[in-house]
Amino acid sequence: DAGVIQSPRHEVTEMGQEVTLRCKPISGHDYLFWYRQTMMRGLELLIYFNNNVPIDDSGMPEDRFSAKMPNASFSTLKIQPSEPRDSAVYFCASRPGGWNTEAFFGQGTRLTVV
Amino acid sequence: SQQGEEDPQALSIQEGENATMNCSYKTSINNLQWYRQNSGRGLVHLILIRSNEREKHSGRLRVTLDTSKKSSSLLITASRAADTASYFCATDPIYGNNRLAFGKGNQVVVIP
Repeated sequence: DAGVIQSPRHEVTEMGQEVTLRCKPISGHDYLFWYRQTMMRGLELLIYFNNNVPIDDSGMPEDRFSAKMPNASFSTLKIQPSEPRDSAVYFCASRPGGWNTEAFFGQGTRLTVV
Repeated sequence: SQQGEEDPQALSIQEGENATMNCSYKTSINNLQWYRQNSGRGLVHLILIRSNEREKHSGRLRVTLDTSKKSSSLLITASRAADTASYFCATDPIYGNNRLAFGKGNQVVVIP
């Protein structure tokens, strides 16, 4: 397996534009997580899914953020409209079900909103 | 409140020395995990220690867990320049439904 794949790796967009980040988890993993990393706030959990169903989206900062997982092999995180304070590195991670399993992270998407 | 809080230190050590990082947490856990992040990359899992374990080794890594104090430590022995990275602890809370909560990380610089 190629691991967790995120696209794009880098995104620069203007304030007000819609941004869509994509993630392909490892096949067979039951859980998918979206994290945001900044210097100030560290690694924040935004939302996670279990078997394609959103379990907890309490970390989603505002209604401008939305995430979907239409099937087991694909998820998106959308920001509309984007703002400069959304600039961060966004990570997707997947994890097998069961106890005592590790998470596998993608390489991240570095988002810059100007 | 965030689970998994490392001592907010930036360590700078000479190659060959040992590096120790600490992590404290607040709730009961299934396990605690340590991850490494190289600059500009994603996090990579290093080691997992279960709540009923007190110490675990993996190569040059040694992890301890004290559930009574809700704390863990990561020791890297005989450090190498390639160990330069940020290290994160993550807790897997008992009632967390498989969510992992990460601390803010410790930056370690190993000087050749």
